[in-house]
Amino acid sequence: RKEVEQDPGPFNVPEGATVAFNCTYSNSASQSFFWYRQDCRKEPKLLMSVYSSGNEDGRFTAQLNRASQYISLLIRDSKLSDSATYLCVVNNQAGTALIFGKGTTLSVSS
Amino acid sequence: ETGVTQTPRHLVMGMTNKKSLKCEQHLGHNAMYWYKQSAKKPLELMFVYNFKEQTENNSVPSRFSPECPNSSHLFLHLHTLQPEDSALYLCASSQEGTGRNEQFFGPGTRLTVL
Repeated sequence: RKEVEQDPGPFNVPEGATVAFNCTYSNSASQSFFWYRQDCRKEPKLLMSVYSSGNEDGRFTAQLNRASQYISLLIRDSKLSDSATYLCVVNNQAGTALIFGKGTTLSVSS
Repeated sequence: ETGVTQTPRHLVMGMTNKKSLKCEQHLGHNAMYWYKQSAKKPLELMFVYNFKEQTENNSVPSRFSPECPNSSHLFLHLHTLQPEDSALYLCASSQEGTGRNEQFFGPGTRLTVL
């Protein structure tokens, strides 16, 4: 099993759609979870941390299921500007570094 | 200047050249990282420096040599690289000890080895 696994997509959705990304991780000892966003030929940028109780930031909702080792990101009312690659990220067993998934590509069209 | 900066932004070098990548963070963080991002692959962690001490070396070939003179600056010295080393090299920083390890990235250096 890969350390962090994501559906690569691409997800092609119209503006206003709701889209969900899933991610699974292999290390049950991971304690920190994040979603990063990466635009084409740019650096990754932190979108949001993922907390055990789930958390929301505007149109974005992140969920964590520790028992299933599963993380999700829900984007409501998609905008053209949401088009990017979304990276699922967890920390390693020692807690000293982050492990990145390959990313899921989202394309929002008008 | 804010955030994490990297120079140069683009670099083309031959296999016999020696060059260095520079990273500077203005966030007051105590940990810095080098990552490699190749096409169609996830980000690969190369080196971790925590309080200026190297704490991880992810089996990186010796033709890549990191240097961390202080907690704000990080270098990656390159020599006798191979064409397969062409990639985007990203620097990141974080504040260790907070329990979250959120990392902030620089814009990267796009390296081409001829």
